[in-house]
Amino acid sequence: DAKTTQPPSMDCAEGRAANLPCNHSTISGNEYVYWYRQIHSQGPQYIIHGLKNNETNEMASLIITEDRKSSTLILPHATLRDTAVYYCIVRVEPGTYKYIFGTGTRLKVLA
Amino acid sequence: DGGITQSPKYLFRKEGQNVTLSCEQNLNHDAMYWYRQDPGQGLRLIYYSQIVNDFQKGDIAEGYSVSREKKESFPLTVTSAQKNPTAFYLCASSRGTRVINEQFFGPGTRLTVL
Repeated sequence: DAKTTQPPSMDCAEGRAANLPCNHSTISGNEYVYWYRQIHSQGPQYIIHGLKNNETNEMASLIITEDRKSSTLILPHATLRDTAVYYCIVRVEPGTYKYIFGTGTRLKVLA
Repeated sequence: DGGITQSPKYLFRKEGQNVTLSCEQNLNHDAMYWYRQDPGQGLRLIYYSQIVNDFQKGDIAEGYSVSREKKESFPLTVTSAQKNPTAFYLCASSRGTRVINEQFFGPGTRLTVL
C-alpha cells in the first residue's frame, strides 16, 4: 500500500519560503500526490495536487522529483496564517478511494 | 454557497448511547468520506462511499455504521460498540473520479462521551 513520510515539524520565518518535503517512494505510476493543510480544530483544506510535472496555484507550488518518489510543497512567502499541519497524501490502492493522511508536518511561521 | 455542513459542532453523549453525526454536501459530489482524528494525530479513515447505496470500510470501521441513501447525505452512527468514541470527526466529499480526487472537508464534529 502506498504511504507517505513527512518530518513532524518545521519552523519558518515570516516572509521567507517554506519548503515542506514528502517521501512517497511506493507511489504507483499514475497516482497523484495531494497536499492539504489543517489549521487547529478546523477541517483540512485542499492546497494542490500533481502527477509528474511541477504545479503552481495561488496558494503554493509543488515540485515532484523525476522518479516521483518525493515532492516538496513550497509556500513562497510564508505568513503567520500559514501556521498549520500540512499533509501529503496518496491513494492507498489504485482504483479505490482510500487515502492515508498520516501525522503530517506541523509548520510554525515565526514573526 | 456550495460546501459541506456537519452538525452539530459539539456533541456530548453518555456512555452506551448510540449517536448519529450528520454530513450534508451540495457540491454534487459522488464520493463521501468519514475520518476520525484524535489529539495530535492525523486523520484515520472510518468509511467511504463512492456512490449512492454503496460504501466501504476504512481502516477503523469497527463500532461505526453509515448509510448513503441520498447523494447529498452520508450520516455516521457511533455505536455503543465503539470502545473509545471521544474524538474529532471529519466528513469530506470529492468528485469521485478514479484519477483526480481532491477532497473537500466539513468543519468537523467534536464528540465527547461522558
